[in-house]
Amino acid sequence: EVQLVESGGGLIQPGGSLTLSCAASGFTFSNNWMHWVRQTPGKGPVWVSRIKSDGSYTTYADSVKGRFTISRDNAKNTLYLQMNSLRAEDTAVYYCVTGDSGYFLRWGQGTLVTVSS
Amino acid sequence: EIVLTQSPGTLSLSPGERATLSCRASQSINNNYFAWYQQKPGQAPRLLIYHTSSRATDIPDRFGGSGSGTDFTLTINRLEPEDFAVYYCQQYSSSVLTFGGGTKVEIK
Repeated sequence: EVQLVESGGGLIQPGGSLTLSCAASGFTFSNNWMHWVRQTPGKGPVWVSRIKSDGSYTTYADSVKGRFTISRDNAKNTLYLQMNSLRAEDTAVYYCVTGDSGYFLRWGQGTLVTVSS
Repeated sequence: EIVLTQSPGTLSLSPGERATLSCRASQSINNNYFAWYQQKPGQAPRLLIYHTSSRATDIPDRFGGSGSGTDFTLTINRLEPEDFAVYYCQQYSSSVLTFGGGTKVEIK
């Protein structure tokens, strides 16, 4: 069974930093592109970032470019999102998602990030 | 960035009826790179349809997708109680992946 388990969310002050992790199991993690997608309650999901299976290629939404960094450790079957210079508008549930072709096949349960003073 | 506009915002229907959900893109979608998701309260979205009309694994055949260019449709035949939820469209034609704002299908 495919499992994606996010962790690392919480309450953080504006300007602060946070690192999210996603532990993957039940599939060959090292063969899959991975994404982070976020969602504010009552709104549609928003794609944040993606990383190629071997970690050699990454892309970001304009809203997080230069502040967020996606990475992966294929030996540990783990995806990361380093988030710096956090803003109130970054408050959301962050999902770890598989998606080789651009659509999002498997989703984690999400981790809540709240940016507030 | 391709903007996706979903309509209607809310659809009030009874079990057994057909639901027709629309999504319009601000630019033409290439290669039919279009998907639909279902989301229930407290849950992550679930992939229903990819490549415009291909059903994902374990998705019942009452769910169907169609469309091309800038106009796409999700049809749900004979609504079951478990189908009342929010539905999102998504395009993966451009390097920036985008979602629509959602259509809520509620019980009339």
